[in-house]
Amino acid sequence: NAGVMQNPRHLVRRRGQEARLRCSPMKGHSHVYWYRQLPEEGLKFMVYLQKENIIDESGMPKERFSAEFPKEGPSILRIQQVVRGDSAAYFCASSPRQGVQETQYFGPGTRLLVL
Amino acid sequence: SQKIEQNSEALNIQEGKTATLTCNYTNYSPAYLQWYRQDPGRGPVFLLLIRENEKEKRKERLKVTFDTTLKQSLFHITASQPADSATYLCALDRNAGNMLTFGGGTRLMVKP
Repeated sequence: NAGVMQNPRHLVRRRGQEARLRCSPMKGHSHVYWYRQLPEEGLKFMVYLQKENIIDESGMPKERFSAEFPKEGPSILRIQQVVRGDSAAYFCASSPRQGVQETQYFGPGTRLLVL
Repeated sequence: SQKIEQNSEALNIQEGKTATLTCNYTNYSPAYLQWYRQDPGRGPVFLLLIRENEKEKRKERLKVTFDTTLKQSLFHITASQPADSATYLCALDRNAGNMLTFGGGTRLMVKP
């Protein structure tokens, strides 16, 4: 039973390029969350998605960032026109159901470096 | 504003001792609190969940307490081992939903 998968594990982009981060949740999980972790800081919630729906994007920057979780395929976090401040580890997590007591299972993260 | 505070300084203890980590929060009324472990370069791994109506939860060498009056959770590792060295994160639910808010984490170093 594979865990949450993220790719790429490492991504290097130059300023102004686009970054696409992919997340495949655990089998049977229909809820996906994206978090960002800056160096020496905690995890910051970005967005919560279910299949084909964005449930909560209150932690997402208003510009340049978007996320989707299509009916088929992985969830995608897209960062357009990256800047150096976007350099961080981006973690995806999944859970099987919605509920106040659901554990989230995290992927290994994608480390984005913007040159 | 809402805050979750964990001791940002690393906790260094000797192998075999009990490690105690603290998580304090303000302006939250969480239905539950979770603790995660994070190793360098890895994603967080779930350890324990404690509900607002539970005072204490145990799992093997781990024990978590939850005091909603003090707005504090304590995380204990008994008989600590060097393999317990990691960063430990506490997380609260936001508005009784799925979204978690994490503290900054405390790094634990267990020396042999």
